[in-house]
Amino acid sequence: SSELTQDPAVSVALGQTVRITCQGDSLRRYYASWYQQKPGQAPLLVIYGKNNRPSGIPDRFSGSTSGNTASLTITGAQAEDEADYYCNSRDSSGNHLLFGGGTKLTVL
Amino acid sequence: QVQLQESGPGLVKPSQTLSLTCTVSGGSISSGGYHWSWIRQHPGKGLEWIGYIYYTGITYYNPSLQSLVTISLDTSKNQFSLKLSSYTAPYTAVYYCARLKLEPHYFYMDVWGKGTTVTVSS
Repeated sequence: SSELTQDPAVSVALGQTVRITCQGDSLRRYYASWYQQKPGQAPLLVIYGKNNRPSGIPDRFSGSTSGNTASLTITGAQAEDEADYYCNSRDSSGNHLLFGGGTKLTVL
Repeated sequence: QVQLQESGPGLVKPSQTLSLTCTVSGGSISSGGYHWSWIRQHPGKGLEWIGYIYYTGITYYNPSLQSLVTISLDTSKNQFSLKLSSYTAPYTAVYYCARLKLEPHYFYMDVWGKGTTVTVSS
């Protein structure tokens, strides 16, 4: 299929660990990249590839993949992590890109 | 440090063609290694990939928008552009340009413009 599915909303207590997931057939072949978006701002790349963080992204962000599911894990969530998170991958052709519907993370 | 900046009309009449430009500074779009992409976001909705272009001129578009979209390069100005025809009200959105790195099994968009809002109104 050519879809990536994310839970619409997830919440986590301050300082706890949260996992945001993304499901899709293309994830069996291609790694996902993950973006954080805060209101009124452009998306920010937080994870790409097997588990790579761009410079400046805290090491509490990590990524993993199992089968058709990619996960973004935040270990010790902070208030500033409250945002929308989007996964991004390729479709089965490899030439077209897909975004998941996004997950709104609330830090309680 | 590479930076991207979108520009274009904030207001478009229904059924007109929308034209946006992304100006790249701090690096050359013709140096290779990166693709250049457009993404949009309808109000309160998620991100939607529109298409991307390589410095050779090769393009790929979202199949759902393929018949409406053209992405092109102007290497002399270090810019790339988006044209979206038959622009209609449901497509009022924020448009982003981004630098795209494509590798065999992964990719990422690591530099984004701030985004430009386009509204449809007669």
